[in-house]
Amino acid sequence: GAVVSQHPSRVICKSGTSVKIECRSLDFQATTMFWYRQFPKKSLMLMATSNEGSKATYEQGVEKDKFLINHASLTLSTLTVTSAHPEDSSFYICSATTERGGLNEKLFFGSGTQLSVL
Amino acid sequence: QKEVEQDPGPLSVPEGAIVSLNCTYSNSAFQYFMWYRQYSRKGPELLMYTYSSGNKEDGRFTAQVDKSSKYISLFIRDSQPSDSATYLCAMKGPYAKGAQKLVFGQGTRLTINP
Repeated sequence: GAVVSQHPSRVICKSGTSVKIECRSLDFQATTMFWYRQFPKKSLMLMATSNEGSKATYEQGVEKDKFLINHASLTLSTLTVTSAHPEDSSFYICSATTERGGLNEKLFFGSGTQLSVL
Repeated sequence: QKEVEQDPGPLSVPEGAIVSLNCTYSNSAFQYFMWYRQYSRKGPELLMYTYSSGNKEDGRFTAQVDKSSKYISLFIRDSQPSDSATYLCAMKGPYAKGAQKLVFGQGTRLTINP
């Protein structure tokens, strides 16, 4: 399968600081990437859809000024959690699609980032 | 009613048993069905990807889709302790311009006991 690299795998930060998470598609071009949040023992919650070269589309209830998404190239998307607070502590996962549309469009995930805000 | 329903478990079985994991869905527009395996604190890994009704086999894994009943299953034969993980079903609608969002089930936590 295609490889999606996510970094860092774990980050601990103080309340009020900003944290950047990177997501890279290593062996394919990803015109679309998705960012998810996952709470313990819960399923994935889609936060936003990121398209290369355009603004991200956020799901209802997700603050776009809190979670800044940049998709500047076909292989890199970043999620910045601004002015992080303890309630932002969670497991964040990115994903990227291969060929767009139809039978061959598959979604591959990064390894996730555990964010802990003190 | 959720679009996709999946029993969260936990499900615990002895090594070597056949495991059956299931999801039901309500949206008849779903046409593509996937199973992901997720180990603790890791990203989901794509296991199976199916389109049509019927069975698809890959090693010890068999994915089954019944569109008439809106029901999908994943069977694991000769289960191993390394199969212990959370299994997520996911699905999406027909082809549309632009990448599509997947709808996920809640995930079933599976433990295979040696």
